[in-house]
Amino acid sequence: SYELTQPPSVSVSPGQTAIITCSGDNLGDKYACWYQQKPGQSPVKVIFQNNMRPSGIPERFSGSNSGNTATLTISGTQAMDEADYYCQVWDRSSDLYVFGPGTKVTVL
Amino acid sequence: QVQLVESGGGLVKPGGSLRLSCVASGFTFTDYSMSWIRQAPGKGLEWVSFITARGGTINYADSVKGRFTISRDNANNSLYMQMTSLRGEDTAVYYCGAAYTYGSGFDFWGQGMLVTVSS
Repeated sequence: SYELTQPPSVSVSPGQTAIITCSGDNLGDKYACWYQQKPGQSPVKVIFQNNMRPSGIPERFSGSNSGNTATLTISGTQAMDEADYYCQVWDRSSDLYVFGPGTKVTVL
Repeated sequence: QVQLVESGGGLVKPGGSLRLSCVASGFTFTDYSMSWIRQAPGKGLEWVSFITARGGTINYADSVKGRFTISRDNANNSLYMQMTSLRGEDTAVYYCGAAYTYGSGFDFWGQGMLVTVSS
């Protein structure tokens, strides 16, 4: 089955850029989505189709996907961005959704 | 506004059964495929099952295949999950999620409900 890997944690200072990676075989051939989840809350989609932002998501969130790695970038990180972030793809070959293990972003 | 409201969670003994429900409002239910996604305590998100908008395609994660059955009632904007032969590792918060296309990801999420499998 298809697997995604993410770093367990990323630390960033306020105002700096946080980069969260998601890796998988030929991930660039799939559409990657990203979700933000704060403690006790449901996940919220922040990026879809690799680099599209849903309405209401701040411009500081951006995404890319090429080769074996998808990336979520948070520019000018704010304290409110501290959360767990999950990547997710649709694996067409097996008709399954797959989530990455998640990355905890800490704003120091 | 968009709402997905889950119900049916609770405490069940190992080997028992439970039926989860999710009622949608605020969007065109029949335009969206629906999924169940779960999150074990302190763990990450795990996709469990999906059903396409008209119910023509269904699939399950290997971890629940043969034990869980997903269904939907488009007339009542409702999604269901019949869970049988429950195990301790099925203990999790269960979310229903709506996806417009496979590539768009999950646009809407329910508030989640806890299912605890314990004797």
